[in-house]
Amino acid sequence: GENVEQHPSTLSVQEGDSAVIKCTYSDSASNYFPWYKQELGKRPQLIIDIRSNVGEKKDQRIAVTLNKTAKHFSLHITETQPEDSAVYFCAARSMEYGNKLVFGAGTILRVKS
Amino acid sequence: DSGVTQTPKHLITATGQRVTLRCSPRSGDLSVYWYQQSLDQGLQFLIQYYNGEERAKGNILERFSAQQFPDLHSELNLSSLELGDSALYFCASSDRDAGLSNFGQFFGPGTRLTVL
Repeated sequence: GENVEQHPSTLSVQEGDSAVIKCTYSDSASNYFPWYKQELGKRPQLIIDIRSNVGEKKDQRIAVTLNKTAKHFSLHITETQPEDSAVYFCAARSMEYGNKLVFGAGTILRVKS
Repeated sequence: DSGVTQTPKHLITATGQRVTLRCSPRSGDLSVYWYQQSLDQGLQFLIQYYNGEERAKGNILERFSAQQFPDLHSELNLSSLELGDSALYFCASSDRDAGLSNFGQFFGPGTRLTVL
């Protein structure tokens, strides 16, 4: 089955700097890769996603890149702000029957002002 | 607000007991997913239902079961509870099943279960 590894586990950046979180997946057939942001005690929120037929997708200050050959995808946050502080999870859609997502272990992002 | 609702928000119970968690998907969504989030295990997929039928299973214990009703709401039943079952339980929904175009899953606010 699918396995997703996420790095780093914690990331501290200065406000205004960029943050990059990286994930690798094991199943080359996976075709959908969402990113979720989770604030303390709240629900995971879908912030951006990418499909396997696209290499990059941007939405304002966030972007996701996908390298299918290397089986890795990354989240890029530019001009970080204190409200970006949260736990970020990457996920990959398992190609087993159904629409199951396999999540990475999460990255705690701290933006220092 | 994702449009997915879950009740109750908090649940405190004792070992050996049985509880039921409830989820209502976004309007129009046919798929419901259940996830368990604990500190040391991250977000773990438990089970998926699509339009009333079980679609995919993850690491769901035999003591746990779920169903999706004709009105598309879902219930997760946890029985013979153990201390280790204490966790946040999230429900998510999406409007499509595997093989179709929209895979995005939207999470509810979660139910925090504490087993004493």
